[in-house]
Amino acid sequence: KAGVTQTPRYLIKTRGQQVTLSCSPISGHRSVSWYQQTPGQGLQFLFEYFSETQRNKGNFPGRFSGRQFSNSRSEMNVSTLELGDSALYLCASSLDLSGDNEQFFGPGTRLTVL
Amino acid sequence: GQQLNQSPQSMFIQEGEDVSMNCTSSSIFNTWLWYKQDPGEGPVLLIALYKAGELTSNGRLTAQFGITRKDSFLNISASIPSDVGIYFCAGQAKNAGNMLTFGGGTRLMVKP
Repeated sequence: KAGVTQTPRYLIKTRGQQVTLSCSPISGHRSVSWYQQTPGQGLQFLFEYFSETQRNKGNFPGRFSGRQFSNSRSEMNVSTLELGDSALYLCASSLDLSGDNEQFFGPGTRLTVL
Repeated sequence: GQQLNQSPQSMFIQEGEDVSMNCTSSSIFNTWLWYKQDPGEGPVLLIALYKAGELTSNGRLTAQFGITRKDSFLNISASIPSDVGIYFCAGQAKNAGNMLTFGGGTRLMVKP
C-alpha cells in the first residue's frame, strides 16, 4: 500500500507570492490534516479535512487555506507569503474522524520564502 | 503554540543505554502518541495509547498513558545507533477529530 505522498518536496518562493501544496492520502483514508513545522514553533496543526469539508482549524491567519477533493486528495494554499512562512509542511492521513485510527504522515514539503 | 511540555529537549546516548523521555500537559487528552522523525522525513508513529494507565510495548520501546490523562512517558531499552533522531509526543483530545497537539521534541544523539 502506498504511503502518504506530498508534492512538491521542495519549493522556493519570494515574499508576496502564493503557493499551493498537494497531499495524496493513503488509499481508503478520507481524513487529511495539515501541519506546519518550524524550529521555533515546532509542529502546529493547520486544519483537517474530511469528506471535502474543513472539520477543524488551528490558529493560523486566513492566508492559509485548504481544500479536499472527492478522491480525498487535499491541497493547501498560502497567499501573500511572508518570510516566517518558511517551514516544513506535513500532511497526515487517517481513515476517518473518530480519533481512534492511526495517522500517517507524508515526507513533507520544504517551503523556503526569500 | 504548543501545550505539551516534553523533556528532556536533547540527550546523548551510548549504545546499550536505556533512555527515558516524558510529556506533560495542562489539558486532558484521550489519546497519547509517540512519533520519531528522521532528517528530511515526516514523523513515523511508534506507539499509540488509548486508555489512561495503559502500558504498551513495541519491541524495545515502552510507553505509558498517565492515569491523570495529562502525561505520558516513553522508554527505549538497550539503545542502538539507529535510535538517533527526534522523538515527539502528541496528544489527541476528545471530539477534536484527528487534531494533534505536539510536544517540542527530544533529540537523541550518540555520544562521541
